[in-house]
Amino acid sequence: AQRVTQPEKLLSVFKGAPVELKCNYSYSGSPELFWYVQYSRQRLQLLLRHISRESIKGFTADLNKGETSFHLKKPFAQEEDSAMYYCALSGLRNAGNMLTFGGGTRLMVKP
Amino acid sequence: KAGVTQTPRYLIKTRGQQVTLSCSPISGHRSVSWYQQTPGQGLQFLFEYFSETQRNKGNFPGRFSGRQFSNSRSEMNVSTLELGDSALYLCASSFTVMNTEAFFGQGTRLTVV
Repeated sequence: AQRVTQPEKLLSVFKGAPVELKCNYSYSGSPELFWYVQYSRQRLQLLLRHISRESIKGFTADLNKGETSFHLKKPFAQEEDSAMYYCALSGLRNAGNMLTFGGGTRLMVKP
Repeated sequence: KAGVTQTPRYLIKTRGQQVTLSCSPISGHRSVSWYQQTPGQGLQFLFEYFSETQRNKGNFPGRFSGRQFSNSRSEMNVSTLELGDSALYLCASSFTVMNTEAFFGQGTRLTVV
């Protein structure tokens, strides 16, 4: 079975502070990992995925297979980063877009 | 390009009734997935369709069913509604089935009374 855990439901930081949203997964094969974000009153949208190895809006995430983690990081948080963040896993290579989501972390960036 | 469109946006039904939700994917997208979002269980995968075929199914009872039409539009149906079916139902479309980016609709808020 595949499982994604986001241990923090709420993370509150001040503007300019570093941010790390934690994500741990359980999957026996090679997973595809994603971070999705939902800003207030907007749709859920893809922020980044591990295979692209991009930095989006200053966010990066590294897949650590040894620790089965895919933490999302940003060195300097901005107020516009306040949103709900979901880590997701797709473990069925070549067999679909089924995503297993973590419970989500609400990030609040205070001025 | 128009985004994923879900109709209706809000729905109130009575226990025991059935409901049909609709999803129009982004033009050119052939994969449609459905998710249930509740405060207690979070986002849970319901099923995925590609080229009118169900490819994957989540751990939901048989009361939950879906289908996809030749134009890639999809519907999901819930029969014999229970109070616990109250949730936000999200539809997502993807271009192919190769673990590609999922584009989500705004959801249908179903309330069962």
